[in-house]
Amino acid sequence: AQSVSQHNHHVILSEAASLELGCNYSYGGTVNLFWYVQYPGQHLQLLLKYFSGDPLVKGIKGFEAEFIKSKFSFNLRKPSVQWSDTAEYFCAVRGAWGTDKLIFGTGTRLQVFP
Amino acid sequence: EAGVTQFPSHSVIEKGQTVTLRCDPISGHDNLYWYRRVMGKEIKFLLHFVKESKQDESGMPNNRFLAERTGGTYSTLKVQPAELEDSGVYFCASSPKGQSSGNTIYFGEGSWLTVV
Repeated sequence: AQSVSQHNHHVILSEAASLELGCNYSYGGTVNLFWYVQYPGQHLQLLLKYFSGDPLVKGIKGFEAEFIKSKFSFNLRKPSVQWSDTAEYFCAVRGAWGTDKLIFGTGTRLQVFP
Repeated sequence: EAGVTQFPSHSVIEKGQTVTLRCDPISGHDNLYWYRRVMGKEIKFLLHFVKESKQDESGMPNNRFLAERTGGTYSTLKVQPAELEDSGVYFCASSPKGQSSGNTIYFGEGSWLTVV
C-alpha cells in the first residue's frame, strides 16, 4: 500500500536556525507531492507542490522542497526559520492510482523559540 | 472568496449518540473530500464526492459513517452510533471541477470530535 513517512515528529529550533524536514513516500509511479502547513487554530494551507519539471520547488514564506526521484523523497527546507513558522507540517502524495485521494504523513510539529 | 467552512468546530458527545458534521466547500468546487485525523496519527482519506456522486468511498471506516452531498453543494458526515475510536479531527476539502490532477485541494479548519 502507498505510504508517506515523515521522520521527524517534533522539531524544536531557535530563530534563524536552518530547517529540513524529511519526507519519503512509497509508490513507484508518477506522483504529485505536497507540503501542507497548519498554524495553530487555522486550516491546512498549501505550502508548496511538485507536479513535474524542476525538482526544486519554491513555496510561500521562503520554504522550498526538493524532489529526488531515486530516493523517493521530498524534503522541506528553509534556511532561516522565524517564530511565526511554529506549526505542524504535513507531507502528502497523490498518485496515478485511479483516485484523487491524498496520502498524508503523520506530520511534524515545529516549535521555533525566539 | 470564502474558504471551505466546517461546522461545528468542536463537538463532545457520549458513546452511542449521533453527530452530524457539515462542510460547505468553496463555491463552484465540484470535488469535495472528507479526511480524518485520529490523535497522533496521519490524516486519512475517507471519501470523495464529484458533485453529488460518491467517486471514492474506500476510506470510510464502517457503516456507522454516512456521507451525503445532496444537490452537489454542502456535504454532511453523520456518525451513528459514535464510538470512542471515532474521536479525532474531521477535515473537509474541496477542489475545482474536472480532473483534479493539477488542481490544488483546499482544506477547512476541521471539526474536532470527542466521544466520551
